[in-house]
Amino acid sequence: DQQVKQNSPSLSVQEGRISILNCDYTNSMFDYFLWYKKYPAEGPTFLISISSIKDKNEDGRFTVFLNKSAKHLSLHIVPSQPGDSAVYFCAASAIRAGRRALTFGSGTRLQVQP
Amino acid sequence: NAGVTQTPKFQVLKTGQSMTLQCAQDMNHNSMYWYRQDPGMGLRLIYYSASEGTTDKGEVPNGYNVSRLNKREFSLRLESAAPSQTSVYFCASSPSQQVGNQPQHFGDGTRLSIL
Repeated sequence: DQQVKQNSPSLSVQEGRISILNCDYTNSMFDYFLWYKKYPAEGPTFLISISSIKDKNEDGRFTVFLNKSAKHLSLHIVPSQPGDSAVYFCAASAIRAGRRALTFGSGTRLQVQP
Repeated sequence: NAGVTQTPKFQVLKTGQSMTLQCAQDMNHNSMYWYRQDPGMGLRLIYYSASEGTTDKGEVPNGYNVSRLNKREFSLRLESAAPSQTSVYFCASSPSQQVGNQPQHFGDGTRLSIL
């Protein structure tokens, strides 16, 4: 039962263009969503988050959009840079049995071509 | 500037052997977590410790035990390793387990192979 899905295993874009990474979820109890970035042989690092009461959050080149009715969120990177090449994980947070838990998607590998 | 430190980085075990993965954080965080990451899947929570002195099962706890040794250290033990436990293991920490948008900080992982 995958509650958080990233249906695109990989994405390739040209340097300077926009990268759009998508994430779908099924559990309406998720109240926060987070994006993590992971380089090979390193642990995931936090990128940006959004509360379920908002529909957009922006931090420099990174913007996350949330569409609650569609249970869909996306991460936009503008402009994309070669250093953005990494695996991006979408994660969703909810209180479950009195405890907060993070559920991760399977990740999307982004390659930014110079 | 260490953050979350995991040892070892790589390990190969034979089926049935035991092993303890070590994790330490220097950020004075209350909560610590152990995840595993398998190909084509997201990170799955094995166990977590909301605060010093407490541990709880996550999504995939079978075959594992944990110890929250003190506020800094949280170890993961495989008592009798099985090939299905071949994975990359990540330790993480956060100031609190209850705050929804509070990010977790991850170590660089331990790549474990069980033959």
